[in-house]
Amino acid sequence: AQSVTQLGSHVSVSEGALVLLRCNYSSSVPPYLFWYVQYPNQGLQLLLKYTSAATLVKGINGFEAEFKKSETSFHLTKPSAHMSDAAEYFCAVSDPTTGNQFYFGTGTSLTVIP
Amino acid sequence: KAGVTQTPRYLIKTRGQQVTLSCSPISGHRSVSWYQQTPGQGLQFLFEYFSETQRNKGNFPGRFSGRQFSNSRSEMNVSTLELGDSALYLCASSHDGQGGEKLFFGSGTQLSVL
Repeated sequence: AQSVTQLGSHVSVSEGALVLLRCNYSSSVPPYLFWYVQYPNQGLQLLLKYTSAATLVKGINGFEAEFKKSETSFHLTKPSAHMSDAAEYFCAVSDPTTGNQFYFGTGTSLTVIP
Repeated sequence: KAGVTQTPRYLIKTRGQQVTLSCSPISGHRSVSWYQQTPGQGLQFLFEYFSETQRNKGNFPGRFSGRQFSNSRSEMNVSTLELGDSALYLCASSHDGQGGEKLFFGSGTQLSVL
């Protein structure tokens, strides 16, 4: 079975500071891992995904994440926060053998302080 | 291409009623998934349809059902509504429904049960 834990339901950073959003997963098979972002009153948009290629994955808007199998982690980072990064972020895992069934974390709300 | 379209945007129902939500996927996408989003719970997988067949199902009671039509449009139905069914219901589509594919989300239907 797959599951995702996002540590910290709320994270605040100053504009220009490092963004670090944590995600740990549990999976009985090598997983596919994703980060999605949700802006107010909108659906989710894909930031980046890991599907067993390079362990350091670069996404849109300057975000990246590193797959660490030994730590079962897939933390999301961005070197310098912008005001426009304020949103809800979701980590998700899927089992490559079961098709399109995703397991999402409970989300982390990012606030950027000017 | 038009994005994923969900109708209606808002719904208010009373306990015991039933409700039908509609989702039109991106043209050419054959997989449609449904998720329930509530504060603090993140997104919970309801079910996935591919080529008119339910391929995956989450851990929800039988009051939650869905179907997919030959044009890939999908509907989900909730019967005998309960207060706890109040949530944002999100639909997502992808081309082939493979586990590593990007999901495209609609803006959701906000259901309030009074």
